[in-house]
Amino acid sequence: AQSVTQLDSHVSVSEGTPVLLRCNYSSSYSPSLFWYVQHPNKGLQLLLKYTSAATLVKGINGFEAEFKKSETSFHLTKPSAHMSDAAEYFCVVSETGANNLFFGTGTRLTVIP
Amino acid sequence: SAVISQKPSRDICQRGTSLTIQCQVDSQVTMMFWYRQQPGQSLTLIATANQGSEATYESGFVIDKFPISRPNLTFSTLTVSNMSPEDSSIYLCSVMGGGRETQYFGPGTRLLVL
Repeated sequence: AQSVTQLDSHVSVSEGTPVLLRCNYSSSYSPSLFWYVQHPNKGLQLLLKYTSAATLVKGINGFEAEFKKSETSFHLTKPSAHMSDAAEYFCVVSETGANNLFFGTGTRLTVIP
Repeated sequence: SAVISQKPSRDICQRGTSLTIQCQVDSQVTMMFWYRQQPGQSLTLIATANQGSEATYESGFVIDKFPISRPNLTFSTLTVSNMSPEDSSIYLCSVMGGGRETQYFGPGTRLLVL
């Protein structure tokens, strides 16, 4: 069975400092992993995805994530936070080739000016 | 990626009534999905809707409460029936694209039941 644990419900960073949003997953098979972002009163936007290719995945808006099988982790990082990064971030897992997405509980990122 | 629209974007409804949410995609897609996001919580899959077949519901969701239509490859509806305040949520549709495992989401429908 698949599941996702987002270790922090809320992360607060200063503008210009690095961002780290943590995610651990559980999957019986080879997983596909995603990060989605949800800005206030907006829909979900795909940031990046891992589907068994390169373990370091680059996404939009300067975000990247590294798949670490030994640690069952898929943490999201960005070198320098921008005010526009303030949003809710969801780590998501699915089995490769399957349709169901399993969402984490989300991490709310606050960026302090 | 697909462009997905939903109607209505938000609504306030009285308990006991029903609301039908529409999801329109700008390209033909085989698989469409409906999710619920309860206040302050993550997304939960309600059902998968394939054109030409009955929707497949996840555990905890039943067709009588959430009937789904999928008349063609670009459109689907979700009805929330006999609503109660517990149905107050954001309802989102999504489609598969950009690689089989990737889903793209509509903007959501915010429902408040009084």
